[in-house]
Amino acid sequence: AQSVTQPDIHITVSEGASLELRCNYSYGATPYLFWYVQSPGQGLQLLLKYFSGDTLVQGIKGFEAEFKRSQSSFNLRKPSVHWSDAAEYFCAVVLNSGYSTLTFGKGTMLLVSP
Amino acid sequence: SQTIHQWPATLVQPVGSPLSLECTVEGTSNPNLYWYRQAAGRGLQLLFYSVGIGQISSEVPQNLSASRPQDRQFILSSKKLLLSDSGFYLCAWSSPSPLHFGNGTRLTVT
Repeated sequence: AQSVTQPDIHITVSEGASLELRCNYSYGATPYLFWYVQSPGQGLQLLLKYFSGDTLVQGIKGFEAEFKRSQSSFNLRKPSVHWSDAAEYFCAVVLNSGYSTLTFGKGTMLLVSP
Repeated sequence: SQTIHQWPATLVQPVGSPLSLECTVEGTSNPNLYWYRQAAGRGLQLLFYSVGIGQISSEVPQNLSASRPQDRQFILSSKKLLLSDSGFYLCAWSSPSPLHFGNGTRLTVT
């Protein structure tokens, strides 16, 4: 069955430190990949997406993600975390443009310590 | 630019009462529309999606229904709410990609 795994439920990072959030998927083919961020009580905001081409994609707010086909991973990174980055982050995948099959991971809560 | 409006932001309803949540999209035509529910610790669950007026697909059998009376309007309804319907409901649109979400409705069924 198709699945998306975010192995870390919570992550705490010091302000100014680097960040990497993990995402692994289980699909028969290369899916389209997304990262969303959700602040408390708010909707989800798209950070970045990967459809094809360069496997390192740049997003908003200084985030980037790298698609690694051999590892079925799409990890999110940021070189220096700001306190305002504290939020929940969701990885999502879809096998084709039919969004009825969009699958989200269960999310990783990022806490930023001073 | 495109915008999505979802209301109300919060709602407290007794068990057995009806429900109507509304979502509208501006700035695009014939979008795909979606209703998701987010329960604590359970991630996002797709409830319904629509590719056009009157076309609704249900992903999960439940106490809820959806309708799309106009191109950019999507409504989530229930005739009788259950305690288990409590959660955070998110409307989203795509045309065709990626998904863009509204700010959500926090529903508490008491």
